[in-house]
Amino acid sequence: AQTVTQSQPEMSVQEAETVTLSCTYDTSENNYYLFWYKQPPSRQMILVIRQEAYKQQNATENRFSVNFQKAAKSFSLKISDSQLGDTAMYFCAFMKRIGWGDMRFGAGTRLTVKP
Amino acid sequence: IAGITQAPTSQILAAGRRMTLRCTQDMRHNAMYWYRQDLGLGLRLIHYSNTAGTTGKGEVPDGYSVSRANTDDFPLTLASAVPSQTSVYFCASSDSPGQGKRIYGYTFGSGTRLTVV
Repeated sequence: AQTVTQSQPEMSVQEAETVTLSCTYDTSENNYYLFWYKQPPSRQMILVIRQEAYKQQNATENRFSVNFQKAAKSFSLKISDSQLGDTAMYFCAFMKRIGWGDMRFGAGTRLTVKP
Repeated sequence: IAGITQAPTSQILAAGRRMTLRCTQDMRHNAMYWYRQDLGLGLRLIHYSNTAGTTGKGEVPDGYSVSRANTDDFPLTLASAVPSQTSVYFCASSDSPGQGKRIYGYTFGSGTRLTVV
């Protein structure tokens, strides 16, 4: 079974600075997807960024980028130029690409951006 | 607006009562899921459905049941609620994995906050 670990329950960062959230996972699969979801106080789950394991290039979406280390099974999220609106819970998630497999989530990291 | 509608938004329920959480999607996704979110545990899968007419058990299915009579609806029923079922419940949908389609993530509903007292 796949497991996802987020070792930082809470983090904080000053507005305009950069912060990195950590995520590791355990799997025997070679072909899979990794995701970061954001959950603001509104409770809505919002997809931030997605990575396909077969792609060596790290995914980037505006101020959000990942550092995907397949051999180390690590998938960290970097938020540049942090904004107050980035304050949220962030969940790392794993999903197999071939065959049935639900999305597995980490426990989450609560990020607070301070003015 | 395309997406997932969950109802109710929140509910306080007496222990032992029966409750059905509703979930409807309009994206014609084949796969649907129910997760519960608990502090420190993230989201855990309760039940899923790959396609209309089929359902399966997830990681924490005990005390819950689901049905999938059509593509759009995927209700979750608590037959006899207990306090440990106090949680936030999320319904989600996606194209079916394993059918050669690229998965762009799940679409989530806004969640139902359920308190069992």
